[in-house]
Amino acid sequence: DQQVKQNSPSLSVQEGRISILNCDYTNSMFDYFLWYKKYPAEGPTFLISISSIKDKNEDGRFTVFLNKSAKHLSLHIVPSQPGDSAVYFCAAKTQGGSEKLVFGKGTKLTVNP
Amino acid sequence: GAGVSQSPSNKVTEKGKDVELRCDPISGHTALYWYRQSLGQGLEFLIYFQGNSAPDKSGLPSDRFSAERTGGSVSTLTIQRTQQEDSAVYLCASSFPFGYNEQFFGPGTRLTVL
Repeated sequence: DQQVKQNSPSLSVQEGRISILNCDYTNSMFDYFLWYKKYPAEGPTFLISISSIKDKNEDGRFTVFLNKSAKHLSLHIVPSQPGDSAVYFCAAKTQGGSEKLVFGKGTKLTVNP
Repeated sequence: GAGVSQSPSNKVTEKGKDVELRCDPISGHTALYWYRQSLGQGLEFLIYFQGNSAPDKSGLPSDRFSAERTGGSVSTLTIQRTQQEDSAVYLCASSFPFGYNEQFFGPGTRLTVL
């Protein structure tokens, strides 16, 4: 039973345009959400996070939106750059429960010059 | 070191052999986690340490898998009698405990069981 789902295995966008990566979750107990970026042969790198008391968090070119009623979050990258090409993982956690992160399967983003 | 380090970076072994994977967390991080990523899959939680104790071992797939942490620092993940389905990238992460803290990942150990 997959509690965190990234339904798009891949996404291709042009440099300078917006990239939107989506993530859905089923466990209503999740209250902290994170996005990680992963290059081949490297470990995941933390990108941005959001707690369930917020609906938006912004850090430079990266913005995460949370829609709790829809159990949906998205990562917006504006403007997209070729160096953003990587696999993006959505992860979720329940505060006060296990400290483990539950990950989606990832979306491979390709930004074309 | 500045980040989480793991060794070896690659390990090729024969089915039935035991392997040990090592993780050095970021200094000061009392929480340590092991995950694995099989081909085409997301990261799968294995075990979580807080200090030297493991409050959550729920992700260990079988009793062939075990892990320990000593001195609140280095951790070793041991897989006994390896099987081909154990082939994966094993990732270690560390963080400050509890609260809204991100986990910092090491580069991983790629395990191949022939």
